Amino acid sequence: AQTVTQSQPEMSVQEAETVTLSCTYDTSESDYYLFWYKQPPSRQMILVIRQEAYKQQNATENRFSVNFQKAAKSFSLKISDSQLGDAAMYFCAYRRGDNNNDMRFGAGTRLTVKP
Amino acid sequence: KAGVTQTPRYLIKTRGQQVTLSCSPISGHRSVSWYQQTPGQGLQFLFEYFSETQRNKGNFPGRFSGRQFSNSRSEMNVSTLELGDSALYLCASSLFVSEGTEAFFGQGTRLTVV
Repeated sequence: AQTVTQSQPEMSVQEAETVTLSCTYDTSESDYYLFWYKQPPSRQMILVIRQEAYKQQNATENRFSVNFQKAAKSFSLKISDSQLGDAAMYFCAYRRGDNNNDMRFGAGTRLTVKP
Repeated sequence: KAGVTQTPRYLIKTRGQQVTLSCSPISGHRSVSWYQQTPGQGLQFLFEYFSETQRNKGNFPGRFSGRQFSNSRSEMNVSTLELGDSALYLCASSLFVSEGTEAFFGQGTRLTVV
């Protein structure tokens, strides 16, 4: 069974600084997708960034980038130039590469941004 | 373009009752997935529907069921409610069920069982 582990229940960062959220996963599949979702107090899950396992290049989306280490099964999220609006719960998620929309989520990391 | 709409937003039910939650996906999306979010268990996959057919089901008892209509709207039903069913129920819609298609989430239905 696939599992996703986020070892940091809480993280804190100063506004404008950089923070890295950790995620590891366990799978025997070779084809899969990894995601980082953000859940603000409004509760709506918002996709932050997506990585295809077959791509070696790390995904980036503006201030958000990932460090994808396939052999180590590690998928960390780096947030640069942190903003107050980045404060939220962040979930790492895994999905198999077949026709399957069953996503496995980590326990989440609560990010606080200090002004 | 309207997002994923879940109704109702909040619900209070008594133990033993049943409840139906509704999810309207983004227009054109044919895949709808349901998740349960609790502080103790986190986010857990309930089931997924595509073109009115249940494609996948998570590890939940038979009291949890769902269906999808021809317009892709989906409902989930929980019968004989238990206190432990109190949770945020999230619905997500996708254009297809393939590859890395992005799942768009609704704001959820907060169910409280008393």
